[in-house]
Amino acid sequence: GAVVSQHPSRVICKSGTSVKIECRSLDFQATTMFWYRQFPKKSLMLMATSNEGSKATYEQGVEKDKFLINHASLTLSTLTVTSAHPEDSSFYICSAREMVAKNIQYFGAGTRLSVL
Amino acid sequence: AQTVTQSQPEMSVQEAETVTLSCTYDTSENNYYLFWYKQPPSRQMILVIRQEAYKQQNATENRFSVNFQKAAKSFSLKISDSQLGDTAMYFCAFYAGNNRKLIWGLGTSLAVNP
Repeated sequence: GAVVSQHPSRVICKSGTSVKIECRSLDFQATTMFWYRQFPKKSLMLMATSNEGSKATYEQGVEKDKFLINHASLTLSTLTVTSAHPEDSSFYICSAREMVAKNIQYFGAGTRLSVL
Repeated sequence: AQTVTQSQPEMSVQEAETVTLSCTYDTSENNYYLFWYKQPPSRQMILVIRQEAYKQQNATENRFSVNFQKAAKSFSLKISDSQLGDTAMYFCAFYAGNNRKLIWGLGTSLAVNP
């Protein structure tokens, strides 16, 4: 099956610093990638949808200046949490939609962000 | 608005037995896709099974099968011969091209007991 690689798996940072999370589709091209946030024992909350070569579409209530998304190629999207604060601590998951079977999303293993 | 409802927050089953997880959805679309994803303790989201709404035949993947009732807007997942490795959160999800994003249920936590 299609593989999505997400790095880092765990990051601890100080309040006020920025953190970048990478999401790569390893064996397929993804015109669309998604970034989710998941709270403990909860469902996935979509933060934004990114399309290769264009600006990301953010869900209501998500600060686009705080969560910067770049989708520079068909295999790479990045999420940068700028000026992180303890309330940004969470589990972030990326997902990529395969071009051929456009209705299937494959997921990265997630990133646990802890802001001290 | 399109919604997905999973009415069972938690379930348990004995190893080797069969369990059914329920999912209902609401949509006015005629062409759409339904999914079951599994999230084990590792938190890696894994696609279990997919159903295309225009197909009447229920999808099957080894021990996993669905009961898709389009008129009732129901999409249940049956796990046969449950294994300890099936212990996970199971999410039902819906996709229609007009919305271009997955709509998620709240999940069912399944515990397989030895």
